Amino acid sequence: QLQLQESGPGLVKPSETLSLTCTVSGGSISSSNYYWGWIRQPPGKGLEWIGSIYYSGSTYYNPSLKSRVTISVDTSKNQFSLKLNSVTAADTAVYYCARLISYYYGSGSYFRWFDPWGQGTLVTVSS
Amino acid sequence: QLVLTQSPSASASLGASVKLTCTLSSGHSSYAIAWHQQQPEKGPRYLMKLNNDGSHSKGGGIPDRFSGSSSGAERYLTISSLQSEDEADYYCQTWGTGILVFGGGTKLTVL
Repeated sequence: QLQLQESGPGLVKPSETLSLTCTVSGGSISSSNYYWGWIRQPPGKGLEWIGSIYYSGSTYYNPSLKSRVTISVDTSKNQFSLKLNSVTAADTAVYYCARLISYYYGSGSYFRWFDPWGQGTLVTVSS
Repeated sequence: QLVLTQSPSASASLGASVKLTCTLSSGHSSYAIAWHQQQPEKGPRYLMKLNNDGSHSKGGGIPDRFSGSSSGAERYLTISSLQSEDEADYYCQTWGTGILVFGGGTKLTVL
């Protein structure tokens, strides 16, 4: 059974870089048809997609965060990582990692969805 | 712009049925969506993928009480025989060209 586990500091200072790692177990991060993604949820609010990566390193990012986000993959460790720079209090959230499954309709058209999700890790931005 | 719209809240009685709605923005009525459930203090869980023709495929272990349907730009999640553990936030999600979008979520209260 595929499992994902987020890890990283729970407290980050304003203007610094938030760094998290997601470790995948029970399956290979190099499997075809799967991207891997980061999602966040500020306290009491809804879900926001941050970005996703393929094992080859191909990425998609949320345009609203793209200037501050880098997602990378380490296939040798079966891990992928998130870096978010210049953080502010607005970046305080529970951060989730998840597998992004792809379904190909043909003619270059895909549908993608998250399954499964990690349990999430709270990151607080505060001095 | 690809947007998913959900009502902020819904309620129904224990043992009854409820139908939650997710509406796709103009020009995107043919898109598939996914439904995710988030129980209190837990991470989200994938429920099902729902196509524009109403066909759907559920995630592993999702009870038969959960079903999906579609009409035009609207995508529905119906939960029958409501149980207390169904009290949760429900999010729809879709994929556009290089972008993934979540709806704002519906908080379901089981009375």
